[in-house]
Amino acid sequence: EVQLVESGGGLVQPGGSLRLSCAASGFTFSSYWMSWVRQAPGKGLEWVANIKQDGSEKYYVDSVKGRFTISRDNAKNSLYLQMNSLRAEDTAVYYCARDRIEGLWSGYYVDFDYWGQGTLVTVSS
Amino acid sequence: QSVLTQPPSASGTPGQRVTISCSGSSSNIGSNYVYWYQQLPGTAPKLLIYRNNQRPSGVPDRFSGSKSGTSASLAISGLRSEDEADYYCAAWDDSLSEGVFGGGTKLTVL
Repeated sequence: EVQLVESGGGLVQPGGSLRLSCAASGFTFSSYWMSWVRQAPGKGLEWVANIKQDGSEKYYVDSVKGRFTISRDNAKNSLYLQMNSLRAEDTAVYYCARDRIEGLWSGYYVDFDYWGQGTLVTVSS
Repeated sequence: QSVLTQPPSASGTPGQRVTISCSGSSSNIGSNYVYWYQQLPGTAPKLLIYRNNQRPSGVPDRFSGSKSGTSASLAISGLRSEDEADYYCAAWDDSLSEGVFGGGTKLTVL
């Protein structure tokens, strides 16, 4: 059974940092593009970033470029999101998601068949 | 302001057919696949339609997707109370090099 379990969320002050983790199981993690998607309270979904199977390609939404870093450890079946210089507008539930197709060469899709339960990040003083 | 534009709300009575539109541009819908997600309250999104009009296994054939030019739509026929949810369209945007979602449409079953 495919499972994605996020952790690392919490309350952080503006300007602070947080590292989110997503533990994957039930599939060959190293064969899939992985992504982060967030949802501010009461708002819609926002694509945040994605990363290629071997970590060689990464893409970010403009609002987080230079502040957030997506990474992965295929040996640990884990996806990460390092968030620095956090702002109030980064407050959201952060979901990790798996691309639907195994072994895809390109990450130019928003095609996610499995999602985690989400972890809440609150940026407030 | 979302890159993809959806109506904020839609409604219908049980058994009716409802459509939800998603408008984009040549750099997203016009040149890439469209995806639709359903999000029930308090839960993670669920893939409903992929590659414009394909249904994952387990998704009822009451749900269908279509795309024409820079617009797409999701149709739900035989509306049921359990279809009450938020629906999002999504696509890759070549100009932004980002994934983009619509603002979401809240479907109410009257």
